[in-house]
Amino acid sequence: AQSVAQPEDQVNVAEGNPLTVKCTYSVSGNPYLFWYVQYPNRGLQFLLKYITGDNLVKGSYGFEAEFNKSQTSFHLKKPSALVSDSALYFCAVRDNNNDMRFGAGTRLTVKP
Amino acid sequence: ETGVTQTPRHLVMGMTNKKSLKCEQHLGHNAMYWYKQSAKKPLELMFVYNFKEQTENNSVPSRFSPECPNSSHLFLHLHTLQPEDSALYLCASSQDLFIFPFFGPGTRLTVL
Repeated sequence: AQSVAQPEDQVNVAEGNPLTVKCTYSVSGNPYLFWYVQYPNRGLQFLLKYITGDNLVKGSYGFEAEFNKSQTSFHLKKPSALVSDSALYFCAVRDNNNDMRFGAGTRLTVKP
Repeated sequence: ETGVTQTPRHLVMGMTNKKSLKCEQHLGHNAMYWYKQSAKKPLELMFVYNFKEQTENNSVPSRFSPECPNSSHLFLHLHTLQPEDSALYLCASSQDLFIFPFFGPGTRLTVL
């Protein structure tokens, strides 16, 4: 069965510094990988996805994620964090059976 | 927002009450989903409907009863809930089961 792990409950970075939110996955077949963001009192918003193609995927708000098949990882990155990036981030995987599973979420706090 | 609306946004109910959550999507999508988001737990898929037919029920207790009268509307009927059912309930929709879902803002449910 497929699963997603986000090993960090909380990530703290200073504004202007690079940020990384980690995600590893386990899935049979080719993975479809996603990152979503949830701002306070809002629903989940789509950030980016990996289906096939380049391992480095660029998404909304300056975020990108790198697919690493050998490490079964799909870490979310941004070169320079903003205070407004503070939110809850979810990694998700959809397998060939169309079952979609989410990680537990990582709370990102960007401090001025 | 994202074209997926949910009402009510907040709901407080007693354990003997009967209430319903409503989801409506204005995106012309064919698949709709209910997810449960509890604190510090992975987002849980509850039900999936594709072309109004239920395709997935992830061992959800019978006190949760979904209804999909058409491809634009999805309901979650609630009765005799437990306090541990308190959570954020998210509705989502996608063009089909292969495409990433768009999420609504959620209904914050509190069971007293």
